[in-house]
Amino acid sequence: DGGITQSPKYLFRKEGQNVTLSCEQNLNHDAMYWYRQDPGQGLRLIYYSQIVNDFQKGDIAEGYSVSREKKESFPLTVTSAQKNPTAFYLCASSIGTSGIADTQYFGPGTRLTVL
Amino acid sequence: GDSVTQMEGPVTLSEEAFLTINCTYTATGYPSLFWYVQYPGEGLQLLLKATKADDKGSNKGFEATYRKETTSFHLEKGSVQVSDSAVYFCALRGAKTSYDKVIFGPGTSLSVIP
Repeated sequence: DGGITQSPKYLFRKEGQNVTLSCEQNLNHDAMYWYRQDPGQGLRLIYYSQIVNDFQKGDIAEGYSVSREKKESFPLTVTSAQKNPTAFYLCASSIGTSGIADTQYFGPGTRLTVL
Repeated sequence: GDSVTQMEGPVTLSEEAFLTINCTYTATGYPSLFWYVQYPGEGLQLLLKATKADDKGSNKGFEATYRKETTSFHLEKGSVQVSDSAVYFCALRGAKTSYDKVIFGPGTSLSVIP
């Protein structure tokens, strides 16, 4: 079955640590995205990538970093510079053809808690 | 800039009641409009979408019609079930973005009680 996987489901971080959230897709999609969701709020875009080896900052990129070395993978690193990282993180992908009403497919999410 | 406004929740309904969740948007041109659903502890799933004015998206008994004149995309279902309890997000993809950026509303939480 095609889909998006995220791991781990729950992640605990001590203050000052960097942590990396995994996102893998086998949908052969070109575009991938990272969102942050806080309680009672909508999704905010952190980073996106339209193609391998290229990515762009979203609305709240400070304190985060990404890489896109493979089409299937788009890991997100939450660095110690992110002052309030406790949130639910969602990865998504889409076919990525501009100009088309493209659907984004979401993974199950990773809940990050800072201890 | 483009934006989405949804009715505030939480919304609590009895089983078999009629559901309406209001969504209005601000955007230039003709955006594509979406409803996503998020069940507790899970990611978002596309519920339905519409890509042009007067289009009606439908899925699992839910419907929404793209109304350009009122810039609205209200979600409706004639008879809700307990299993419909979730958070519903209205979203748009702008007509002039160079990539697939989707703007989400804040979400409306729905609880259906037996």
